[in-house]
Amino acid sequence: NAGVMQNPRHLVRRRGQEARLRCSPMKGHSHVYWYRQLPEEGLKFMVYLQKENIIDESGMPKERFSAEFPKEGPSILRIQQVVRGDSAAYFCASSPSGTPYEQYFGPGTRLTVT
Amino acid sequence: KQEVTQIPAALSVPEGENLVLNCSFTDSAIYNLQWFRQDPGKGLTSLLLIQSSQREQTSGRLNASLDKSSGRSTLYIAASQPGDSATYLCAGWNQAGTALIFGKGTTLSVSS
Repeated sequence: NAGVMQNPRHLVRRRGQEARLRCSPMKGHSHVYWYRQLPEEGLKFMVYLQKENIIDESGMPKERFSAEFPKEGPSILRIQQVVRGDSAAYFCASSPSGTPYEQYFGPGTRLTVT
Repeated sequence: KQEVTQIPAALSVPEGENLVLNCSFTDSAIYNLQWFRQDPGKGLTSLLLIQSSQREQTSGRLNASLDKSSGRSTLYIAASQPGDSATYLCAGWNQAGTALIFGKGTTLSVSS
């Protein structure tokens, strides 16, 4: 059973470009969580999604960031018009049900904005 | 607002030592508490989950305790090994059970 997959593992974008980060949850998991780890900072919760629904987006920046988890396909975290401050590691986790205590984390996507 | 603090930020010990990592949280309303391990370039691996009604959990050489009244948790590692070298993260669950609130971690280095 493959774990949580994230791609790309490393992404370089110039300021002003768009970044798309993908997360494929574990098989049978229908809940996805995104976290961001800034340099020298702890992981910060961004958003919690179920298929086709955003459940909790209290950690999402108000502008430029959006997330989706469609009925088919991976979850996407989209960052428009990236700035240097967006450089971070973005982690995705999935869980099999509404019980979040079985979160399994992916390896992360390292975003570098030049 | 819940905040999680981990002390020390970094720790170096010789192989075989027993050690304690500390975690404190500001809001005693923390629901459950979880310890993770993070290796460089990798994702997080869950080590122990302590539910709010529990006081400790054990797995092999690891023992984690939770004292909600004082707002503290500790992770005890017995007979440390070089393979234990990693960053250890403490995280508390929000009451809604929708998000983990992480500390910045303790980076452990065990020398042989």
